[in-house]
Amino acid sequence: NAGVTQTPKFQVLKTGQSMTLQCAQDMNHEYMSWYRQDPGMGLRLIHYSVGAGITDQGEVPNGYNVSRSTTEDFPLRLLSAAPSQTSVYFCASSYGRWQGPHEQYFGPGTRLTVT
Amino acid sequence: AQSVAQPEDQVNVAEGNPLTVKCTYSVSGNPYLFWYVQYPNRGLQFLLKYITGDNLVKGSYGFEAEFNKSQTSFHLKKPSALVSDSALYFCAVRVPTLSGSARQLTFGSGTQLTVLP
Repeated sequence: NAGVTQTPKFQVLKTGQSMTLQCAQDMNHEYMSWYRQDPGMGLRLIHYSVGAGITDQGEVPNGYNVSRSTTEDFPLRLLSAAPSQTSVYFCASSYGRWQGPHEQYFGPGTRLTVT
Repeated sequence: AQSVAQPEDQVNVAEGNPLTVKCTYSVSGNPYLFWYVQYPNRGLQFLLKYITGDNLVKGSYGFEAEFNKSQTSFHLKKPSALVSDSALYFCAVRVPTLSGSARQLTFGSGTQLTVLP
């Protein structure tokens, strides 16, 4: 059971480039989410999904797109990278469509630098 | 709106001493409360949660937390700290709605715990 996996672990982009951060889970969790972590700001929710074909915006969605074609995968797309998107990105999943009291399982993170 | 405050950016404690990492919250309704730990260059790991019932919650690695509704706090504690407990700790809150769904998880800014040998 691999849990939540993310690729790549590190990435450097130039301003204006696009890329996709991959996230997969093998726990058959319905709920998946993307966070960014910046120093002194905790984790902020970018986008989330409550099942295949259903996505919604979180607190800081601008500049990011997501899709959920399968239960297992939840990729995050940066459309045109900006230096403000330099951050550590975490994917997480949890049991149940509407979360409730369930804890989240986090991937190891992707450290992104935009120059 | 829901919010979480971790008033201390850094907590230092000697090995073997008790430790406390503070968390206060502001919500409308009865919250679900969580503690997560992050070791260097790793993702967050779940430690414990409060849903309802007994105010003292026990979790992984000997940690426990006390829910105090009147003070809107959920402080993380451990009776005897280990050097290996040194990590970044996050408190988080979520409020269930009448429909059974819940607002998204809101995280505090994190507290760096350093246990000195």
